[in-house]
Amino acid sequence: DVKVTQSSRYLVKRTGEKVFLECVQDMDHENMFWYRQDPGLGLRLIYFSYDVKMKEKGDIPEGYSVSREKKERFSLILESASTNQTSMYLCASSASGTGISTDTQYFGPGTRLTVL
Amino acid sequence: DQQVKQNSPSLSVQEGRISILNCDYTNSMFDYFLWYKKYPAEGPTFLISISSIKDKNEDGRFTVFLNKSAKHLSLHIVPSQPGDSAVYFCAASADNAGNMLTFGGGTRLMVKP
Repeated sequence: DVKVTQSSRYLVKRTGEKVFLECVQDMDHENMFWYRQDPGLGLRLIYFSYDVKMKEKGDIPEGYSVSREKKERFSLILESASTNQTSMYLCASSASGTGISTDTQYFGPGTRLTVL
Repeated sequence: DQQVKQNSPSLSVQEGRISILNCDYTNSMFDYFLWYKKYPAEGPTFLISISSIKDKNEDGRFTVFLNKSAKHLSLHIVPSQPGDSAVYFCAASADNAGNMLTFGGGTRLMVKP
């Protein structure tokens, strides 16, 4: 079974703090993704990575950065947390290639971040 | 503009009856469609998928129908069970999008005992 783990289930931070969210997958997947989920807006892609040290902006990258130093680990960084970044953050991974088997993404349990 | 839309934010169904969740898309380049199920405080889990070359895919109580001409897909759950109560997300991908998924806004299904 694919396993994607996230470092924290719940996190409370103050405005202006630097926040690190860690994600680790154990299936040797090339692709990793960071989303945020907000009610009524579905899952919105923040950043993704196709390989180590590679990153691409998603739909809402502003205020975020990412790091992928090892294949299994993908970190999301909030440089200076703001209240509008209070959300559920979800990490996912998938294999590379074309077709439905590689388009299927596997998600971690999520981190509920509250910024006060 | 949202390329994948789930126009019903919520749906309530009696246990044992059919649940039908709908999803519309605008991008004709989408090749694959997936449904994910999400319980509170958990990540989404993959439920069922369909390729654009098919119009139906069935897996136990879950069936997904695809109408390419209408750019519409639906997920049928028969019979519905209380454990099916969750948020369901529709997602789509295109071969030229590099394994990226575009998600709809989700539909919260409540199955009443």
